[in-house]
Amino acid sequence: AQSVTQLGSHVSVSEGALVLLRCNYSSSVPPYLFWYVQYPNQGLQLLLKYTSAATLVKGINGFEAEFKKSETSFHLTKPSAHMSDAAEYFCAVSLKAAGNKLTFGGGTRVLVKP
Amino acid sequence: GAGVSQTPSNKVTEKGKYVELRCDPISGHTALYWYRQSLGQGPEFLIYFQGTGAADDSGLPNDRFFAVRPEGSVSTLKIQRTERGDSAVYLCASSPQGGANSGELFFGEGSRLTVL
Repeated sequence: AQSVTQLGSHVSVSEGALVLLRCNYSSSVPPYLFWYVQYPNQGLQLLLKYTSAATLVKGINGFEAEFKKSETSFHLTKPSAHMSDAAEYFCAVSLKAAGNKLTFGGGTRVLVKP
Repeated sequence: GAGVSQTPSNKVTEKGKYVELRCDPISGHTALYWYRQSLGQGPEFLIYFQGTGAADDSGLPNDRFFAVRPEGSVSTLKIQRTERGDSAVYLCASSPQGGANSGELFFGEGSRLTVL
């Protein structure tokens, strides 16, 4: 079975500063990895995904994530935070063999200070 | 509509009542998923349909929860004898082909259930 751990339930960053959200996964076989974002009163929206192609994945709104097999990590970064990045971010893992059922981490809420 | 549609967006009910939550997936998507998101937590898997059949219902917490997808499109999540602990946002997602694509799920905005 697969699992996901997100370190830090809340992160506070200044506008213009680096955003770093940590995600570690556990899986017996190579997984697919995802980051989703949830803005207030909205549905989950895909930021980016890793599906065994390039290990550095670029997503929407300037976010990117790097798959590191040796560290079983898939951390999300953005060089310069905007006020509009305030939201909750979820890391998730799925296995093709399991019907692409997503297993989510607990989420990290990002607060951006002016 | 172009996206996944869920109704009602909000449902308040009393303990012991029966509730139905509806999901209308993106047209043509064969896979449909139900998740439950409690306050301050990530979404938890409930059940997954491929076409009309439940391919994986391992996340349903107990026999008070049941879901159907009779024609392979719209799905209904049914909760009997609701309890206060059932209060959560119930999310629906769909995918073009559950086991054959790159795994992206498209989510609705959820149905917020409050059991008093």
